[in-house]
Amino acid sequence: EPEVTQTPSHQVTQMGQEVILRCVPISNHLYFYWYRQILGQKVEFLVSFYNNEISEKSEIFDDQFSVERPDGSNFTLKIRSTKLEDSAMYFCASSETGLGAYNEQFFGPGTRLTVL
Amino acid sequence: AQKVTQAQTEISVVEKEDVTLDCVYETRDTTYYLFWYKQPPSGELVFLIRRNSFDEQNEISGRYSWNFQKSTSSFNFTITASQVVDSAVYFCALCSGNTGKLIFGQGTTLQVKP
Repeated sequence: EPEVTQTPSHQVTQMGQEVILRCVPISNHLYFYWYRQILGQKVEFLVSFYNNEISEKSEIFDDQFSVERPDGSNFTLKIRSTKLEDSAMYFCASSETGLGAYNEQFFGPGTRLTVL
Repeated sequence: AQKVTQAQTEISVVEKEDVTLDCVYETRDTTYYLFWYKQPPSGELVFLIRRNSFDEQNEISGRYSWNFQKSTSSFNFTITASQVVDSAVYFCALCSGNTGKLIFGQGTTLQVKP
């Protein structure tokens, strides 16, 4: 069964460093997303990406964040200068459509980011 | 404004009991989708079910059933004859924009004791 994969599973970084979180969405999916979950809290939307551009972003997704689909398979989230409050689990998700049939989002296993 | 409220923070039941998880949503859109996801202790998010705003037919799938009522903006989820493996955090989520953004509730932690 196709699945979303994410690497690394755990990333530890120093405050101020840049990190890149990687995701491989399900191959026939066209919509891609990043969410984050601070420990013990709810899952929060960061950004949606379709047709090689951002379709929506939340207020969390400020200038320190960027997304890219560098090739036909990877989808990356970059945090330019990490802060302590960026420590969270970051989930990548993908879906066939945005709204309508087949819009269920399938999530990757997550990358736990720890900023020291 | 779009919002999902799961008023139950934690529920604890004994194995084989039935349990219902509540979800109330807010949206001004006429077309929207509702989801339930399960997050077991291992941390991944597992898709359980999706319902669209035009389909109020409730469904039973094995030990799971769903009760969608537009009149009260509720989308409740019931597990019949709960098992220890059902222990997890359950999230209700709303999708109502063209971008597919999911808005999650706070989650309900279900503990099923043997």
